[in-house]
Formats: sequence, structure tokens, C-alpha cells
Amino acid sequence: KAGVTQTPRYLIKTRGQQVTLSCSPISGHRSVSWYQQTPGQGLQFLFEYFSETQRNKGNFPGRFSGRQFSNSRSEMNVSTLELGDSALYLCASTQNWGLQETQYFGPGTRLLVL
Amino acid sequence: DQQVKQNSPSLSVQEGRISILNCDYTNSMFDYFLWYKKYPAEGPTFLISISSIKDKNEDGRFTVFLNKSAKHLSLHIVPSQPGDSAVYFCAATRENAGGTSYGKLTFGQGTILTVHP
Repeated sequence: KAGVTQTPRYLIKTRGQQVTLSCSPISGHRSVSWYQQTPGQGLQFLFEYFSETQRNKGNFPGRFSGRQFSNSRSEMNVSTLELGDSALYLCASTQNWGLQETQYFGPGTRLLVL
Repeated sequence: DQQVKQNSPSLSVQEGRISILNCDYTNSMFDYFLWYKKYPAEGPTFLISISSIKDKNEDGRFTVFLNKSAKHLSLHIVPSQPGDSAVYFCAATRENAGGTSYGKLTFGQGTILTVHP
């Protein structure tokens, strides 16, 4: 099976712009979670989607949003970018939650905000 | 509020010896724990996990121990190899709680392991 894929791998934006990141989960996986990794805060949970519904959300401002499509692919959007949004954004997938299944991570999208 | 803590930022070990990475947690509701390995500019790679109903789980060179009363888990790598050099993260979750637990792993800050030839 192919792993979790994320596009693009690298992105440079300027403050005030918006950005959309894409994630394709492992085939058959319906739960997709997003994380932000920064040197200061480590890996922080953004949100989780299952069957096109957001089931859980972390402590991030409303500028961070996401969605999931019927094929389980997910996108996250960050509007009005700030310098502090520079980070590695990771997507992870699993079949479902509550079955002690492992989350498998993609390679990440490195976002730099200038 | 750091619910999962890895108090050693780095660990240096000789090839062939044992590497022991430690992790402490404060939330007694966590019931499933995972270890991931991460190289720079890549996503975390799953290593091994353990349910709270067990105290030990082995997979090849990797063994995870869980001490629930101490809220402590450790990852043992035996023997250590230079290719094991990476950042190791422990993570915890409440798998059957639903709600604010869906899809959420809580990570420690990571420990940089360096294995010298």
C-alpha cells in the first residue's frame, strides 16, 4: 500500500496570504489528523476528520481550517498567514479511532512565511 | 500544560549497547502509548505501541515498558545501531473516549538519540 502523501512538500508565502495543503491518506483509512510541528511547541494537534466531518479540534485560531472529501483526502487551509505559522505541517491517517490503531504520518509540508 | 514529557533532550550511546529512552505522562486517562522515530524533514515513523492493559511489548530490537502507577514508559533498543540515530517521540492518547480524543495524539518534546560507531 502507498503511504500517506502530502503536497506540496515546500511552500513559501508572505504574511497576510492564505495557503492550502493537501493530504491523501493510506487507502482504506478514513480518519485524517493534522499536526503542526515547530521548534518551540513541538507536535501540536490541529484537527481530525472522519467521513467528511470534523470530529475534534485542537487549540488553534479560526484561521486554521480543514475539510475532508468523500475519498478521504483532506485539505487544510490557513488564512491571513502570520510569521509564527512557519512550521512543518503533518498529516496522519488511520482506519478509525478507538481501535488501538496506529496513526501513520506523511512526510509533511514545510511552510515558510516571510 | 505538558501532559507528556521527555525530560532528556538528547542521549548518546555506543553502537551495540542498549539505548533507553524515557517518557512520563500526567494524564491518568491515557490508555494507549506509541513511540515514533523522526528524521529531519520527514514525518514520524511508527516504531512500537503499548496498551495500558499491558506492561511490556516487544518487536525485534525494540521493547516498550509501561509502569502505570508511576505514569512512566520507556523504550529500549538493543543492540543500538548507527541507523537508529534520530529524534524519538513518545505519544499518548485516550483511544476509546471519543469526543476530544478523536484522532489526537499528545506528543512529548522528543529525545535526540545519537549512536556512535
